[in-house]
Amino acid sequence: IAGITQAPTSQILAAGRRMTLRCTQDMRHNAMYWYRQDLGLGLRLIHYSNTAGTTGKGEVPDGYSVSRANTDDFPLTLASAVPSQTSVYFCASSDSSSTDTQYFGPGTRLTVL
Amino acid sequence: AQSVTQPDIHITVSEGASLELRCNYSYGATPYLFWYVQSPGQGLQLLLKYFSGDTLVQGIKGFEAEFKRSQSSFNLRKPSVHWSDAAEYFCAVGEGFQKLVFGTGTRLLVSP
Repeated sequence: IAGITQAPTSQILAAGRRMTLRCTQDMRHNAMYWYRQDLGLGLRLIHYSNTAGTTGKGEVPDGYSVSRANTDDFPLTLASAVPSQTSVYFCASSDSSSTDTQYFGPGTRLTVL
Repeated sequence: AQSVTQPDIHITVSEGASLELRCNYSYGATPYLFWYVQSPGQGLQLLLKYFSGDTLVQGIKGFEAEFKRSQSSFNLRKPSVHWSDAAEYFCAVGEGFQKLVFGTGTRLLVSP
């Protein structure tokens, strides 16, 4: 079982370009999440999805969009990247219960120049 | 709004010594509390979690944490640290449907 996979592992992107970060889980979890991790700020929630077909905004959603067409995939799109979006991005998933553990992917390191 | 404070940015502990990492939270009701560990270049791994019941929670890798409602704390402890425990540790509180609010992390360094 792979758990959660993220792609790419790392990316350097010119400002203004569009970028999609991919996230796939094979645990059949209903809920999925995107976080960004910045030095000194810990992890902050960008967007989440409680189940396929629904999404919600987290703490820092501006400049990002997500979709949840099926249970397994939860891509994160930067429509027009800016340098402040340079960060490490983590995808996570959990089962439906609010007490269930979130499992994290290995992360994508994104640099916007 | 919920918040989590980890007052120590870095902690250095000698191998074999005991460890305590501090975590304080702000939340109106009984919180869901978590400790995660992140090794360099890796994702986060859950060490332990508290939802209700016994306030002393056992986790993986010999870690434990104690929920103290009166102090709004959930400190992580380990009786004897190993060099492989060097990592960054994050405390988190559950908000709503599992939306976690993370602290800023504590980096643990282990000296020989």
